[in-house]
Amino acid sequence: AQKVTQAQTEISVVEKEDVTLDCVYETRDTTYYLFWYKQPPSGELVFLIRRNSFDEQNEISGRYSWNFQKSTSSFNFTITASQVVDSAVYFCALSEAGGYQKVTFGIGTKLQVIP
Amino acid sequence: DVKVTQSSRYLVKRTGEKVFLECVQDMDHENMFWYRQDPGLGLRLIYFSYDVKMKEKGDIPEGYSVSREKKERFSLILESASTNQTSMYLCASSSPEGRHQPQHFGDGTRLSIL
Repeated sequence: AQKVTQAQTEISVVEKEDVTLDCVYETRDTTYYLFWYKQPPSGELVFLIRRNSFDEQNEISGRYSWNFQKSTSSFNFTITASQVVDSAVYFCALSEAGGYQKVTFGIGTKLQVIP
Repeated sequence: DVKVTQSSRYLVKRTGEKVFLECVQDMDHENMFWYRQDPGLGLRLIYFSYDVKMKEKGDIPEGYSVSREKKERFSLILESASTNQTSMYLCASSSPEGRHQPQHFGDGTRLSIL
């Protein structure tokens, strides 16, 4: 069975600090997809990134970057120079290639950026 | 822009009532999902549907049922509401199987069962 672990339940940082959110996953499949979503206080989950298991290149999008390492089954998310608007709950998720896109979510990491 | 709309943002019901949560998407997506979100437990899948009139149980279907009569609408039904069903309910949709497209979520319905 697939599993996603986000060990950090809550993180607080001061604005402009860098912060890394950890995600460790378990799956027996060789083909799978990993996702990160952001849930601001308004409640709606917003998609941030999708990565398939064959693409281990790290990705950068503005202040956001993702580090995918199959050797450690991790897909970590770093926010550089954090801002108050980054305050949200962040979810890591895993989808195996078969089936009807059933996605397993981690429990989420609540990030608070203090001005 | 894509849109998933949940009928109520907040809902208060009584124990034993039959409760309907409605979700509509305007993206012509085949796949639709219902999750509940609880502190410390993340999102847990209740039911999903990959086509009209089709449904599959998720991880926690007990006490719930669903209906998908039209492609754009996916309803979650609490047959006889209980206090342990007090939660945030999230609806999502995605394009068809095989491409693993990201799910698009509604704003959520915060349901309280008294």
